[in-house]
Amino acid sequence: AQKVTQAQTEISVVEKEDVTLDCVYETRDTTYYLFWYKQPPSGELVFLIRRNSFDEQNEISGRYSWNFQKSTSSFNFTITASQVVDSAVYFCALSGDGGATNKLIFGTGTLLAVQP
Amino acid sequence: DVKVTQSSRYLVKRTGEKVFLECVQDMDHENMFWYRQDPGLGLRLIYFSYDVKMKEKGDIPEGYSVSREKKERFSLILESASTNQTSMYLCASTTPTSGGADTQYFGPGTRLTVL
Repeated sequence: AQKVTQAQTEISVVEKEDVTLDCVYETRDTTYYLFWYKQPPSGELVFLIRRNSFDEQNEISGRYSWNFQKSTSSFNFTITASQVVDSAVYFCALSGDGGATNKLIFGTGTLLAVQP
Repeated sequence: DVKVTQSSRYLVKRTGEKVFLECVQDMDHENMFWYRQDPGLGLRLIYFSYDVKMKEKGDIPEGYSVSREKKERFSLILESASTNQTSMYLCASTTPTSGGADTQYFGPGTRLTVL
């Protein structure tokens, strides 16, 4: 069975601190995809990144970076120099190679509060 | 630009009422999904549809049904609303690709309260 665990329920940091959100996944598929979504207070989930299981290169996009490690089944997300606008719930999600249907399995989310 | 819209942001209904939640996407996506989001549980899949008039149960379909008469519209129906269906409901859509899972795009959500 597939599962995503986000052990950190809530994190509070002060602006300009770096923060890492953890994501650990379980799957028996050899081909799978990992996602991060951001849910600001407005409620809409915003897509941040998609990574397939064959691409273990780390990715950096501005202040955001992702560390994918198959050996530990982790796909962690780091925000550098956090800002108040980063305050949101962040979800990690997993999808197998589902063919015609691409169901996502979500973690329970991490609430990040960035204090000014 | 990608656009998924939901008919209401906030909805208050009474126990036993029939409730319709509407979702429309303008991206010509084949696949559409309904999730509910509850604190501490993340998002859980209720139903999904991979074509017009086609539907499949997700992880928690009990108490819900769906309708997809047109490609762009996917409706979630609560036949007889109950208080335990008070939740945030999120719609998403995507297009399947030969390479596997494509990105799902989400609507703004409907916060439903059943009294």
